Amino acid sequence: DAGITQSPRHKVTETGTPVTLRCHQTENHRYMYWYRQDPGHGLRLIHYSYGVKDTDKGEVSDGYSVSRSKTEDFLLTLESATSSQTSVYFCAISESISSGNTIYFGEGSWLTVV
Amino acid sequence: AQSVTQLGSHVSVSEGALVLLRCNYSSSVPPYLFWYVQYPNQGLQLLLKYTSAATLVKGINGFEAEFKKSETSFHLTKPSAHMSDAAEYFCAVSYSGSARQLTFGSGTQLTVLP
Repeated sequence: DAGITQSPRHKVTETGTPVTLRCHQTENHRYMYWYRQDPGHGLRLIHYSYGVKDTDKGEVSDGYSVSRSKTEDFLLTLESATSSQTSVYFCAISESISSGNTIYFGEGSWLTVV
Repeated sequence: AQSVTQLGSHVSVSEGALVLLRCNYSSSVPPYLFWYVQYPNQGLQLLLKYTSAATLVKGINGFEAEFKKSETSFHLTKPSAHMSDAAEYFCAVSYSGSARQLTFGSGTQLTVLP
């Protein structure tokens, strides 16, 4: 296992409520990522971080924000959840961005917005 | 810009038969290519990766893939399918120095028939 813990693993929430997903790593890797997985779309990058307090947007960042105050924690917040944000969310980590560096994935967080 | 196309969202093979999962990529710079496997309700696990060394890459569980630049392909094969190979498989591309890391294909669901 790559030492990645996501919480909560399962959550049901109501439309319009804020939701925060947490990713915790024990590998001291610099890079952290949040992806969402939807049928027919594979995994799409929401936000990523390249260091403490250093974050940037991915391809599907609207409606999401992130924070990284410590190397080991990367939080994903849905500011006002919508049904279109029902998905499986994966956190990933990587030690570097050198050639072909492996990215390791967490077990996923299943979010249902009703 | 880079992208990945996986031909066939669902592939069925008989146990013992050849597995062939197709992946074509588009990249403006030399790519690094990956295959990940996802079992139900789990995260993604790296099967193998191409990082510009050998064009034929061997991975875990008997899988291998061949990088063909002329065809912009990185197809995944296994000579003899096993029931335990039933899973979803994702092809992904990245390039060195990119913090955004991976761009995924939409995935191929492999079913192994007894």
